Formats: sequence, structure tokens, C-alpha cells
Amino acid sequence: GIQVEQSPPDLILQEGANSTLRCNFSDSVNNLQWFHQNPWGQLINLFYIPSGTKQNGRLSATTVATERYSLLYISSSQTTDSGVYFCAVTQTGANNLFFGTGTRLTVIP
Amino acid sequence: GAGVSQTPSNKVTEKGKYVELRCDPISGHTALYWYRQSLGQGPEFLIYFQGTGAADDSGLPNDRFFAVRPEGSVSTLKIQRTERGDSAVYLCASSPSRYFSYNEQFFGPGTRLTVL
Repeated sequence: GIQVEQSPPDLILQEGANSTLRCNFSDSVNNLQWFHQNPWGQLINLFYIPSGTKQNGRLSATTVATERYSLLYISSSQTTDSGVYFCAVTQTGANNLFFGTGTRLTVIP
Repeated sequence: GAGVSQTPSNKVTEKGKYVELRCDPISGHTALYWYRQSLGQGPEFLIYFQGTGAADDSGLPNDRFFAVRPEGSVSTLKIQRTERGDSAVYLCASSPSRYFSYNEQFFGPGTRLTVL
């Protein structure tokens, strides 16, 4: 199956700082999603971004499908941003999502 | 409902027992997925339904696991002769379209299964 690697695995930020999370994948995809898993375990959709750039408030994401990576930018981080961020992809021709191992973000006040 | 719902939220059972986990997808979504998440890992795919039929069950770990979606809406994941290794959070997701061009998945809150 497709390989999905996320970096860094852990990240600690001071409130107000900016960060970039990276997702590399090993094959062509027709779907790429970024999720935030909150402390209660709920997966919250951040972006559906198989290609291009999107912005939503303090968050933005860019996927360069030809180079097989995606970036998630978090600006002016808040303590409520803490949790695990997952990148997940659907390999071309398939339907299910393959998840990376996640980046655990801790924002301290 | 506004989102994917799953019941029960928690299930504790004894080794060897049978369990059923329910998923109610977003209204109108044709695709439904089951995933399993173990502690410290990302979710792993189990099975995918398009309408009433299981289009891909390649992620089911063995024949103790079975899922149905008889009317193309609600789905039930069934686990026979549970083992301690089945303990995990079982997640359900739904997607609005059968087309590869747009298949964003939306997840429910999960069922935490504990096998004693």
C-alpha cells in the first residue's frame, strides 16, 4: 500500500507561534485530507486538498501532488490547537484513506 | 442529523463474546467506511460500502469481523468471539459521492471497544 509519512512526530509551541507540518506520500493520490484529532478522539476535518492551496482562518494548506507532499500551516497558535494532526490520502483508483502516524502538537500558554 | 453518529460510545465485553457496533452516516451519503484506531496510531481501514454492498473488505483482519448495510444507510460492524487484541476505537466515516473526483470523508466520534 501507499506510505504516508508525517513530520515532525511531536511539536511543542508557545502560544502565538507559527508552525509547519509536513506530509509525504509515496504514490499518486486522488484525495488528501488533513484532520485534527481532539483530546476526546474526534477527527475534525481541516482541509480536503488533493492539490493546490486553501486557507481557513489561521490555518492554510498546500498540496504539491506532482512532488507528493502536503504542508499544513498553523499561524498564531492557540492552546485549543493542541492535539494530533493527521494527514490521510486515497491512492488513485482506491476509495479508503491511508493515514500517517500523525504529528502531536502541544501549545503551551 | 448533522454528522456521523456511532453507538455505543463505549463497549466493554469479555473475551469470546459477540459485539455489534452501529454507524449512522450523514443523510444522503452513499459511501460508508469503517476504520480501527489503536492507541498511538492513525486509523486503519477495515471495510468500504457503496450503497448496500461491501465494495472493498480487504482491511478486515479475519473472518471474525463482518459488516452489513442492508438498506444503504445505517451500518453494523459485527465481531464474533472477541479477543483482547480487538480492543481499539472503531471509527465510521461517510462520503457524499461515489466518484473519485470528490470523496471527502467525515468521521463519527467512534466506539471505544474494550475486551477484558
